[in-house]
Amino acid sequence: KAGVTQTPRYLIKTRGQQVTLSCSPISGHRSVSWYQQTPGQGLQFLFEYFSETQRNKGNFPGRFSGRQFSNSRSEMNVSTLELGDSALYLCASSPPPTGGAGGELFFGEGSRLTVL
Amino acid sequence: AQKVTQAQTEISVVEKEDVTLDCVYETRDTTYYLFWYKQPPSGELVFLIRRNSFDEQNEISGRYSWNFQKSTSSFNFTITASQVVDSAVYFCALSRETSGSRLTFGEGTQLTVNP
Repeated sequence: KAGVTQTPRYLIKTRGQQVTLSCSPISGHRSVSWYQQTPGQGLQFLFEYFSETQRNKGNFPGRFSGRQFSNSRSEMNVSTLELGDSALYLCASSPPPTGGAGGELFFGEGSRLTVL
Repeated sequence: AQKVTQAQTEISVVEKEDVTLDCVYETRDTTYYLFWYKQPPSGELVFLIRRNSFDEQNEISGRYSWNFQKSTSSFNFTITASQVVDSAVYFCALSRETSGSRLTFGEGTQLTVNP
């Protein structure tokens, strides 16, 4: 069974640009969540999608957005990149029935974004 | 507000030593979940264990064991007879009953097991 797949694995952008990251969850998982990991702030929750609807949102500015498609694949977008957005962005999926809610999360290897 | 504290930033041990990773949490909820995840150098977090707030039984899985004590708000993780492959960053995390996949993570403990 394939795990959570994130693309691209590495990318470099400059300030002011935007970036889109993709996440393919494990087959059958309908909940997808995103986390940002930085040395200074650690692991922080960005948002969660379940059945194409945003179910939870962390404390990030509106420059961070996401969406989920009908096949449960998810994308997150960061617009007007800042130096502080340099981070490892991790996607996780969780199995039904509820997705999340105390359940095990399966993480991808992440997309490492560097903003110059 | 919820908070997880892992006071040990880095731990270094020699192979076959036992090591305990500490985790202290804060929450006002009566129902919550506690987790431990392992992050190897490849980056993905690997689930190790989940405990709900009503289950204070300690658990042992091979060389791993967990001690959950609500009285001290702690959920400590012990690796017995550590191995080099145990080297990783370990995260303790907390979630609310109604928060879906929203986990509050601790800062992580970098464990290095030397041969």
